[in-house]
Amino acid sequence: EVQLQESGPGLVKPSQSLSLTCSVTGYSITSNYWGWIRKFPGNKMEWMGYISYSGSTSYNPSLKSRISITRDTSKNQFFLQLNSVTTEDTATYYCARGGRVFDYWGQGVMVTVSS
Amino acid sequence: EIVLTQSPTTMAASPGEKVTLTCRASSSVSYMYWYQQKSGTSPKLWIYDTSKLASGVPNRFSGSGSGTSYSLTISSMETEDTATYYCQQGRSYPWTFGGGTKLELK
Repeated sequence: EVQLQESGPGLVKPSQSLSLTCSVTGYSITSNYWGWIRKFPGNKMEWMGYISYSGSTSYNPSLKSRISITRDTSKNQFFLQLNSVTTEDTATYYCARGGRVFDYWGQGVMVTVSS
Repeated sequence: EIVLTQSPTTMAASPGEKVTLTCRASSSVSYMYWYQQKSGTSPKLWIYDTSKLASGVPNRFSGSGSGTSYSLTISSMETEDTATYYCQQGRSYPWTFGGGTKLELK
């Protein structure tokens, strides 16, 4: 069974970087696409970007200057880094399998940006 | 970017009632995806390619639509269907989600 699990700090200070890990079991990240989606307070959801089976990436233009998605195939993990965060980045962050449609999701990690 | 507008924002339905949720796109999309999210859990893929039910989804659910107008229908509301439903387009970058419809039990 495919399982995804996010991990990372729940509190980040403004202007710092947010770094999250998604650990995948039951499926190799060298197959398929792997994405990050976030849900803001108030329920708006935003697709952030993905990394492909080959390591290529695609990002939401609204985040393009601040976001990086990378991977470690030896650990079957992929990562999200979001730089220069503000309080507007407070959200629940999900990792998911898929590049266009998302069929398996992690349980989500709530990240608060606050000093 | 394509904006998806879901309606209604919130609704309540009685057991056995037929329910229709709507998603309208600001530009034509070829197909629509729907997710169900229950409180405190992650979203689940519910309907893909406009009308195909994801694994395990009861057949009282159906999806339809084309162009800029799509819908998710429950033929007979059940207690377990209470959740928030989101539509999502994968036609044009960046992929976007609707604001969700919260479906409650009356």
